[in-house]
Amino acid sequence: GENVEQHPSTLSVQEGDSAVIKCTYSDSASNYFPWYKQELGKRPQLIIDIRSNVGEKKDQRIAVTLNKTAKHFSLHITETQPEDSAVYFCALPFSGGYNKLIFGAGTRLAVHP
Amino acid sequence: SAVISQKPSRDICQRGTSLTIQCQVDSQVTMMFWYRQQPGQSLTLIATANQGSEATYESGFVIDKFPISRPNLTFSTLTVSNMSPEDSSIYLCSGTGTYEQYFGPGTRLTVT
Repeated sequence: GENVEQHPSTLSVQEGDSAVIKCTYSDSASNYFPWYKQELGKRPQLIIDIRSNVGEKKDQRIAVTLNKTAKHFSLHITETQPEDSAVYFCALPFSGGYNKLIFGAGTRLAVHP
Repeated sequence: SAVISQKPSRDICQRGTSLTIQCQVDSQVTMMFWYRQQPGQSLTLIATANQGSEATYESGFVIDKFPISRPNLTFSTLTVSNMSPEDSSIYLCSGTGTYEQYFGPGTRLTVT
C-alpha cells in the first residue's frame, strides 16, 4: 500500500523567514497531493493542493512543489508570520483512489516574533 | 469549500458504553469518510461511509466496533461501541467532491 514520510517533525523559525516541509511517497501512481494546516483544537484545513500534471502551484505566501521522478512534494511558506504556527500535514490518496487519504505524521511549525 | 458539521463536539463516556457521532454535509459532497486522530498524532482513516450500504473499513477497524450508517447523501453516523480508554480520540468526518476533501470540526471523546 501507499506510504508517506514527512520531515521535519518540528520546525522553528523566526518571523519573516521561510519554512519548507517535505513529504516522500512510494506509489508512482499517486496523482493528487494536498496540504492541510491544523491549529490547536481546530479541524484540519486544506491550504493548497497540486495535481500530478503540474510541478508547482503558488497561493500568496504558500507554494507546493512536486517532483514525480523523485517521488516527493514540498510545502514552502515564505515571509512566515506568527499565525502560521500550526501543525501541517501532507496527504495523498490511497492506491487506486482519489479521495481516501493517507496522512503524513505532521510537522509542528513554530514562528517566533 | 464544503460545509460540514458534527455533533456532539465533545463527550466524556464511561467504559463499556457506546457513543454515536453525527455528521452533516452540504450537497457538494459525494463521498464521506470517518477519521480518528489520537492525541498529538496524525489522522487515520477508519472507513468510507457508503450511501445506503455497508461502510468500507480500513485495516485495523471493524464494523462491530465502529458501525457506520449513511442513510442519505448528506448525513452519516459513526458509533464507537463498547468503549475503552484507548478509544479516547478526536473523531472527524470528512466530505469530498472530486479532489478537495474538507473536514468537520471533530468530536473529542474521552473514555473514563
